[in-house]
Amino acid sequence: GENVEQHPSTLSVQEGDSAVIKCTYSDSASNYFPWYKQELGKGPQLIIDIRSNVGEKKDQRIAVTLNKTAKHFSLHITETQPEDSAVYFCAASKSSSASKIIFGSGTRLSIRP
Amino acid sequence: NAGVTQTPKFQVLKTGQSMTLQCAQDMNHNSMYWYRQDPGMGLRLIYYSASEGTTDKGEVPNGYNVSRLNKREFSLRLESAAPSQTSVYFCASSLYPGQGTDTQYFGPGTRLTVL
Repeated sequence: GENVEQHPSTLSVQEGDSAVIKCTYSDSASNYFPWYKQELGKGPQLIIDIRSNVGEKKDQRIAVTLNKTAKHFSLHITETQPEDSAVYFCAASKSSSASKIIFGSGTRLSIRP
Repeated sequence: NAGVTQTPKFQVLKTGQSMTLQCAQDMNHNSMYWYRQDPGMGLRLIYYSASEGTTDKGEVPNGYNVSRLNKREFSLRLESAAPSQTSVYFCASSLYPGQGTDTQYFGPGTRLTVL
């Protein structure tokens, strides 16, 4: 079955700098890659997603890139702010997976003032 | 529009006790899910319901049962709680039945401790 690996597990960056989180997946049939942000004491919330027919997607300070050949995708956050501090999860799924999404193990991002 | 709601928020059980975690969504979604979250392991799917009247096992179903009571509600039951079931439990829902590429919306979670 699908396996998603996420790195790093913790990341600390200076406010204003960029942060990059990387994920790899094993099932070449996966075609949907969402990213979730989880703030302390809350449930995960979708922040951006990308589908396999697209190589890059941007939403203000957040961007996601996908390399299907290498089976990896990354989250980029530019001009980081204190409110970006949270745990971020990548995930992968496919149309035929009957609702199953496989999550990475998470990255705890801390923004230093 | 409350989205996905879960009760209770916190629960402490003794080994062997049973309990039911409740989940409801008001977004008219077809699919609902139960996940557990453990440190360093991300979210793992316990059970899901692709549409009203159907339920299927996920990655870690042992020790749990579910009921899709109606389109809005999906409950998770622990018949005989074990310390290994200490975790944070999240319910989620998505609009389209049986589509793995559909956005999932999560509830706030239930923190369960089994002593």
